[in-house]
Amino acid sequence: GESVGLHLPTLSVQEGDNSIINCAYSNSASDYFIWYKQESGKGPQFIIDIRSNMDKRQGQRVTVLLNKTVKHLSLQIAATQPGDSAVYFCAENPGSNYKLTFGKGTLLTVNP
Amino acid sequence: GAVVSQHPSWVICKSGTSVKIECRSLDFQATTMFWYRQFPKQSLMLMATSNEGSKATYEQGVEKDKFLINHASLTLSTLTVTSAHPEDSSFYICSASSGYQETQYFGPGTRLLVL
Repeated sequence: GESVGLHLPTLSVQEGDNSIINCAYSNSASDYFIWYKQESGKGPQFIIDIRSNMDKRQGQRVTVLLNKTVKHLSLQIAATQPGDSAVYFCAENPGSNYKLTFGKGTLLTVNP
Repeated sequence: GAVVSQHPSWVICKSGTSVKIECRSLDFQATTMFWYRQFPKQSLMLMATSNEGSKATYEQGVEKDKFLINHASLTLSTLTVTSAHPEDSSFYICSASSGYQETQYFGPGTRLLVL
């Protein structure tokens, strides 16, 4: 049967502010990381990725930072907009196969 | 680019019937497709990985005789939930990748409700 629902970490920001969503990954062998955005009732949408030979990568209004020393990944969203409200998942590829391991997700709420 | 579609987007069926969900990569060839299940307010749970032309690899605890996966071409994978029961009600999402460590692109998901 279904598992008991878990409480997602939440982040609430004001429109126009910058948002930082954090993710701790578990496998030191992971060499590829992706951030996905999932709106309610939809599939995850690719935002940005980064490989382990980099520590920073920028996209349009988004920046991903990778700290391999402490196994930490973050997603920064500049000038957050109401349309950014969603659940954000980090995912890691341990490098041994094609599979991704997903984090628990963070619910971002943008207040107008 | 990198568009993945799923059909149907939602389905309601009676207990004991089978339901087939299609996943298509529309603008790229997907050597590998993945099927996930997601419960409310939870992360994605990988069910199985399928490579074109070969048998799917199922995750531990996923019944392969209940969740039949076929990956007959580089653009199409299907998931059939056989003899569905109410506990199979969930949000099923597929993803597609063009190769090792390439990004997985997700479909819009299929919501299944078994009465």
